Amino acid sequence: EPEVTQTPSHQVTQMGQEVILRCVPISNHLYFYWYRQILGQKVEFLVSFYNNEISEKSEIFDDQFSVERPDGSNFTLKIRSTKLEDSAMYFCVYIGELREQYFGPGTRLTVT
Amino acid sequence: AQKITQTQPGMFVQEKEAVTLDCTYDTSDPSYGLFWYKQPSSGEMIFLIYQGSYDQQNATEGRYSLNFQKARKSANLVISASQLGDSAMYFCAMRGATGNQFYFGTGTSLTVIP
Repeated sequence: EPEVTQTPSHQVTQMGQEVILRCVPISNHLYFYWYRQILGQKVEFLVSFYNNEISEKSEIFDDQFSVERPDGSNFTLKIRSTKLEDSAMYFCVYIGELREQYFGPGTRLTVT
Repeated sequence: AQKITQTQPGMFVQEKEAVTLDCTYDTSDPSYGLFWYKQPSSGEMIFLIYQGSYDQQNATEGRYSLNFQKARKSANLVISASQLGDSAMYFCAMRGATGNQFYFGTGTSLTVIP
């Protein structure tokens, strides 16, 4: 069973709207990642977040994206003004003992 | 830069047979990790197996084994005794020496035929 939950499981939004995707860890993990997977394509790294700071980010993670840990436990990924091409599955990911990455169940974002 | 290549977009295998899914990689890092994930139609990503670049033996996890050939930069996944539930997308991924970012291949769609 994944040690994170993600909400919502599916979100439909209109282009230009802001969305907030949430990741709730069950165990005490310090390192979190966000990845996305556009339908039918490969999984792409967005950002890594360690101890309340961004440690790595990809070219995809532009000014429209932000990550936070607003209440000390939940992690959020915010997209300020969604575009059609933001439609994808967004995964919250945590690190295992071998530095393997375990994926949360994902949030399917549909931008119309 | 890290690169993962999966050249088989789709594979078919008879139930109970073994199947090999190919993965080659390119990296200049001396130390790296190789991973395989399964993605069923439900969309979840399931971690299957890990191979470290300095591991002397090929990794095995139940019916999954990783055929690691370092000189050829390949990390093929072998699934033995295929089951209908093995039908899914399979992704090969690599982590470099620095940071924890993963690089994924484009995936192979496996269909197990009864």
